[in-house]
Amino acid sequence: AQTVTQSQPEMSVQEAETVTLSCTYDTSENNYYLFWYKQPPSRQMILVIRQEAYKQQNATENRFSVNFQKAAKSFSLKISDSQLGDTAMYFCAFMKLYLNDMRFGAGTRLTVKP
Amino acid sequence: DARVTQTPRHKVTEMGQEVTMRCQPILGHNTVFWYRQTMMQGLELLAYFRNRAPLDDSGMPKDRFSAEMPDATLATLKIQPSEPRDSAVYFCASGSPPAEDTGELFFGEGSRLTVL
Repeated sequence: AQTVTQSQPEMSVQEAETVTLSCTYDTSENNYYLFWYKQPPSRQMILVIRQEAYKQQNATENRFSVNFQKAAKSFSLKISDSQLGDTAMYFCAFMKLYLNDMRFGAGTRLTVKP
Repeated sequence: DARVTQTPRHKVTEMGQEVTMRCQPILGHNTVFWYRQTMMQGLELLAYFRNRAPLDDSGMPKDRFSAEMPDATLATLKIQPSEPRDSAVYFCASGSPPAEDTGELFFGEGSRLTVL
């Protein structure tokens, strides 16, 4: 089975600064999808960004961008201009093609300080 | 506004009791996932279904957990008998793999279970 590892249980960043969350994964698949989800205190799971493994270009969504290194099986999330509303738990996730076997890491709790 | 609905939102029960959690996937979604969230393990995949058939339930303790989809609008996760270590938040998520294969999961708000 695929595994997803997030080695940073907790992180903090000052408002307006940049922070990078790390994620590594293990798989024998060649094509797959990677995701970052945000979980605020409300418990709602919110999709932040998605990356297709067959695309070399890193995905970006406004202040959120990823650094996808397929050979190294690394998928980090960069949050620029951090805002107080970014405070949440962030989960990295791996999914096989056709919506199969979606697995999550243990999460990184991010606190944005004013 | 389509959403995944989970009931109950909160459940407190005593050890040994049966617990049933229910999930109504978004209409038209043919894939349903069950996850368990704990502080130590993060989000663990318990099982998932496609067109009501289980594709993988290897993450589920078989001796006390069972999951099924009686029909396309209802997925259930049952624990019998419940134990304190089952205390967690249980999430249901649904989706459908489109032709473009950019399937996305939509999550319910979770069911918080406390077993005393």
